[in-house]
Amino acid sequence: SQELEQSPQSLIVQEGKNLTINCTSSKTLYGLYWYKQKYGEGLIFLMMLQKGGEEKSHEKITAKLDEKKQQSSLHITASQPSHAGIYLCGADLLAYSGAGSYQLTFGKGTKLSVIP
Amino acid sequence: DTGVSQDPRHKITKRGQNVTFRCDPISEHNRLYWYRQTLGQGPEFLTYFQNEAQLEKSRLLSDRFSAERPKGSFSTLEIQRTEQGDSAMYLCASSRRNSIYNEQFFGPGTRLTVL
Repeated sequence: SQELEQSPQSLIVQEGKNLTINCTSSKTLYGLYWYKQKYGEGLIFLMMLQKGGEEKSHEKITAKLDEKKQQSSLHITASQPSHAGIYLCGADLLAYSGAGSYQLTFGKGTKLSVIP
Repeated sequence: DTGVSQDPRHKITKRGQNVTFRCDPISEHNRLYWYRQTLGQGPEFLTYFQNEAQLEKSRLLSDRFSAERPKGSFSTLEIQRTEQGDSAMYLCASSRRNSIYNEQFFGPGTRLTVL
C-alpha cells in the first residue's frame, strides 16, 4: 500500500471555483512538502509544513498540516487556468534518529484541470 | 538566479546502450538527490549525496545504475545496459547546507526513452 495517499486523483473545476486536495500519510511525518508539476517538467516547490496545526499561504494557495491525523490539505481559492497541473505532496518521514529522512516520499499526485 | 539544471533534457537510446545524465545543483546547496518518475506516479527516491559522499541508495538502484559527485558540486547518473523498463523521467534535486529541514528544489528532469 502507498505510504502517502492523495485524493482526489484528478479534479476538473470551473474557473473561479475553490478546491481542496488532501494528502494522508500512513507513517509519522517530520515535514510535509507541496509541489506543482507541469506535464513533462520538473517540480516547483510551493510550501513546506513542519509543525502540527501549521498553515501557510502563497497567493491563492493555502496549505494546512493536521499532525494528529498525519494529514495535509491544499486549498486553492478562486481557481485560475494558471493553477492547472499536477499537485504532489512529498513527506519527510520521521526516522529512528528522531530527525527527518534524507529522501522525500511522494504521493501519486492530483491532476487539476481548470476550465475557463 | 540559477536553479537546478539537468542535461540532457531528453535522451532516446537503444536497449543495451549506456547513458549518462548530469545535474548541476544550486551553488550553495551541499545536498543532492536523484529521483525517478514514471507516468502517473510520484517521484521515487534513488540516491542522496552530502557533498561528495553518497550516503544513501534505494533498492531501486540496481547494479546497472551508478551515481557520482566527485567534487561535491555537479553529479552524474549512469545507467549501463539500458532496459525498456528504465524509460522514465530522471529528476535531480538539491537542498541547503546545514538545514534541519529538507526543502528540496528540483531540476527540469531528463526524460529517457529506451527503444
